[in-house]
Amino acid sequence: QVQLQESGPGLVKPSQTLSLTCTVSGGSISSGSYYWSWIRQPAGKGLEWIGRIYTSGSTNYNPSLKSRVTISVDTSKNQFSLKLSSVTAADTAVYYCARWPKQLNYGMDVWGQGTTVTVSS
Amino acid sequence: QSALTQPASVSGSPGQSITISCTGTSSDVGGYNYVSWYQQHPGKAPKLMIYDVSNRPSGVSNRFSGSKSGNTASLSISGLQAEDEADYYCSSYTSSSTVVFGGGTKLTVL
Repeated sequence: QVQLQESGPGLVKPSQTLSLTCTVSGGSISSGSYYWSWIRQPAGKGLEWIGRIYTSGSTNYNPSLKSRVTISVDTSKNQFSLKLSSVTAADTAVYYCARWPKQLNYGMDVWGQGTTVTVSS
Repeated sequence: QSALTQPASVSGSPGQSITISCTGTSSDVGGYNYVSWYQQHPGKAPKLMIYDVSNRPSGVSNRFSGSKSGNTASLSISGLQAEDEADYYCSSYTSSSTVVFGGGTKLTVL
């Protein structure tokens, strides 16, 4: 059974870069059958899609975040990562990673438990 | 891209049926049969309930069903149970190869 686990600093200073990693266990990230996504949720608010990556390295990003976001994949470690630059307090949120099977035209079927990131000096 | 529009809250009594709407545009909901619905209990990660408008993943109760007409998708829950009380989010793939979520609907089981 595939599991996803987010990891990274829980506190980031304003203007710095937020870096998170999602480790995939119980399956291979390079199987070619999935997209891998990042989603975030500010406290008490709704979900916001950040972007996705395919194992080929192909990416798609939320237009509102595109200038600050980089998603990458490390198949040797079975991980994919998120970098968000020039963060502000508005980037404080729970960050989730999720799996999107290509056989589903659209649906994210496995999610990590989420990790809270606070942007504060 | 703008968020999809969902009612902020809906409610129903145990055993009743409810429907949650999700309105987008021809560039997302109306343009593709690529709508999914997620259930989220407090402090938990979202759970996929419906994918591709009307398909249920294995293990999801058949009390949950999805449909779409034009630019509006809907999630229906029949035979409401206390455990269904949660936040529900719709989401759609878009013509720009991105994803957009709705603002979320809080379901209260009275």
